[in-house]
Amino acid sequence: DAKTTQPPSMDCAEGRAANLPCNHSTISGNEYVYWYRQIHSQGPQYIIHGLKNNETNEMASLIITEDRKSSTLILPHATLRDTAVYYCIVRVPNAGGTSYGKLTFGQGTILTVHP
Amino acid sequence: KAGVTQTPRYLIKTRGQQVTLSCSPISGHRSVSWYQQTPGQGLQFLFEYFSETQRNKGNFPGRFSGRQFSNSRSEMNVSTLELGDSALYLCASSLDPSGGLVVQFFGPGTRLTVL
Repeated sequence: DAKTTQPPSMDCAEGRAANLPCNHSTISGNEYVYWYRQIHSQGPQYIIHGLKNNETNEMASLIITEDRKSSTLILPHATLRDTAVYYCIVRVPNAGGTSYGKLTFGQGTILTVHP
Repeated sequence: KAGVTQTPRYLIKTRGQQVTLSCSPISGHRSVSWYQQTPGQGLQFLFEYFSETQRNKGNFPGRFSGRQFSNSRSEMNVSTLELGDSALYLCASSLDPSGGLVVQFFGPGTRLTVL
């Protein structure tokens, strides 16, 4: 799985957009970008994933650069409940062998949403 | 659909004891993965089961074991507990990875404290 780099922490004002960057410069052509978040002491929550096109769901938008070396997760109107650790993960979706059922989590970005 | 459930949610044991944790995946999900989360090491992959077979294993000692039943429910066991086994143990389920994109859904976790 390609290595990802995220800033350790970010702040955002409530109601504003939160833009969380992720660098994955060694991503290969068949690797997807996944985003999860973990609110304190809870299980990680799946947010969104994508290959190369921008993706949007009810939680967030994912913008992947044309060269796919970086991406940005956008929470359009952040609320206090969005305060969490956000993880960017890159992997081949149906990889087998030593990748079966395994997500490799880095340190993530601690997003703090302020009133 | 009900989410991933884990029991018990909290557990206190003493050194040398053994413990069994239980996980019920989302209905229809056949793959179950287990993770350990500690402040020092972050989220680390323990093992993955599919159709009652362990397909992948992380770098943990043999004291950590698991199994999966025919209804996809899974248990993990830690024998001869050590203080360092204190952690949040997370279970995640997904559809058969070979059938498409891998999105894992996590349970709330079991908080194990070893005294």
